[in-house]
Amino acid sequence: DTEVTQTPKHLVMGMTNKKSLKCEQHMGHRAMYWYKQKAKKPPELMFVYSYEKLSINESVPSRFSPECPNSSLLNLHLHALQPEDSALYLCASSRGQVQDTEAFFGQGTRLTVV
Amino acid sequence: QQQVKQSPQSLIVQKGGISIINCAYENTAFDYFPWYQQFPGKGPALLIAIRPDVSEKKEGRFTISFNKSAKQFSLHIMDSQPGDSATYFCAARSGAGSYQLTFGKGTKLSVIP
Repeated sequence: DTEVTQTPKHLVMGMTNKKSLKCEQHMGHRAMYWYKQKAKKPPELMFVYSYEKLSINESVPSRFSPECPNSSLLNLHLHALQPEDSALYLCASSRGQVQDTEAFFGQGTRLTVV
Repeated sequence: QQQVKQSPQSLIVQKGGISIINCAYENTAFDYFPWYQQFPGKGPALLIAIRPDVSEKKEGRFTISFNKSAKQFSLHIMDSQPGDSATYFCAARSGAGSYQLTFGKGTKLSVIP
């Protein structure tokens, strides 16, 4: 199983809503990532969890709140988003060892903030 | 210092031709160079990757050439097919102990019949 599964695939939310994006992998990977990708742009790193601890936060606004309940799951909680936060949100995972950073991406959640 | 410069921005190739995408970097601490393929509405998929102690790596129709002294690497797609039409991103890891990948801006490849 080399899959990273993200749900939902599409999400439309209002600026006052609270929603969550979910990510799951069963490859035994110990590093998990959230990326944001705008149209025709490369993915931008948001957060990295390493062994279920937040190790990188790329100065992401607090309206995005990550959570790693266990080694297989990664959530991104959304609250009070702005229309400019509309993007494809990608989850990725890798083994977590420094010699091996082959990262597998999920299919993404297409988020639209209205 | 952290940039990876990718060219061209877009590329049109005839079916059966060779597609070549180039990337250049400045940071000599980069130690892992993957290429990702992304179809519209999908997540990036790892295509092939190379480490700087190797000058070339081939997997099927895809080859990475790596020039450490010039700090350049390139992706060659042989016998390009319409199904290869996608956006390709080169990337580089920021050195041992880092989980961060620095991506190039991407190349939109169109393979025409």
